[in-house]
Amino acid sequence: NAGVMQNPRHLVRRRGQEARLRCSPMKGHSHVYWYRQLPEEGLKFMVYLQKENIIDESGMPKERFSAEFPKEGPSILRIQQVVRGDSAAYFCASSPTITQPQHFGDGTRLSIL
Amino acid sequence: ELKVEQNPLFLSMQEGKNYTIYCNYSTTSDRLYWYRQDPGKSLESLFVLLSNGAVKQEGRLMASLDTKARLSTLHITAAVHDLSATYFCAVDPLEGGGADGLTFGKGTHLIIQP
Repeated sequence: NAGVMQNPRHLVRRRGQEARLRCSPMKGHSHVYWYRQLPEEGLKFMVYLQKENIIDESGMPKERFSAEFPKEGPSILRIQQVVRGDSAAYFCASSPTITQPQHFGDGTRLSIL
Repeated sequence: ELKVEQNPLFLSMQEGKNYTIYCNYSTTSDRLYWYRQDPGKSLESLFVLLSNGAVKQEGRLMASLDTKARLSTLHITAAVHDLSATYFCAVDPLEGGGADGLTFGKGTHLIIQP
C-alpha cells in the first residue's frame, strides 16, 4: 500500500508565476489535509478536503491560494502569483476517517526566485 | 485559538542520558500525536495518545498524556545517536467530532552526541 504521494518534490518558480502542488492520498483515504512548514517551524494547517468538498479552509490565505480534491485524480494546492514569502515546504496528509491518524507525504519544497 | 508549546526547542545531550520533552496545549483535547522529522524529510508518526493517562512506549521513547493538565511528555531513555531528529507534538482540537487540522508545536531539535 503506497503511502501519501506528493509531487513534485522540489518546485522552483519566479515571482508572479503559478505553483501547482499535487497530492495522492493513501488508498482508502478520503480525507486530505494540506500544511505549510516554514524553516525551523512546526507545520501550520491550511485546508482540509474530502472528495469534491472543501471542509475547512480556515488556515488558507484569503488570496492567491486555492485547493481542490476532485472526484478523480489527486488533490491540488494552487498558488497564483507567487511571492518570496510563499517559499516553504508544503505537506499533504491523508486519513481514512476524521478520527484516525494522519499519514504525511514527503512534501513539496517550493522555492521562489 | 489553540496554542501548542513545546519545550525545550533545542536540546543537545550525550548518548546514554535520559531526558524529557514537554508539550503543553491550551484547549481541551483528548487526542495528541508525536511525530519525528529528519532534515529534509517528512513526518513519521511515533505515538497516538487518545485518552487521559495514556502511556505508550516504543524502544527508548515513551509518551504520556495528561488531559487535565493539558500536558504530554516524550521521554527518552539511554539516548542513542540515531534518535537525533526534530520531534513535534500535534494536538487535534476535535471535541466529539469536527473538521480542523492538527495544530503543531514548533518542534524540539534534538542532537545526541556520542
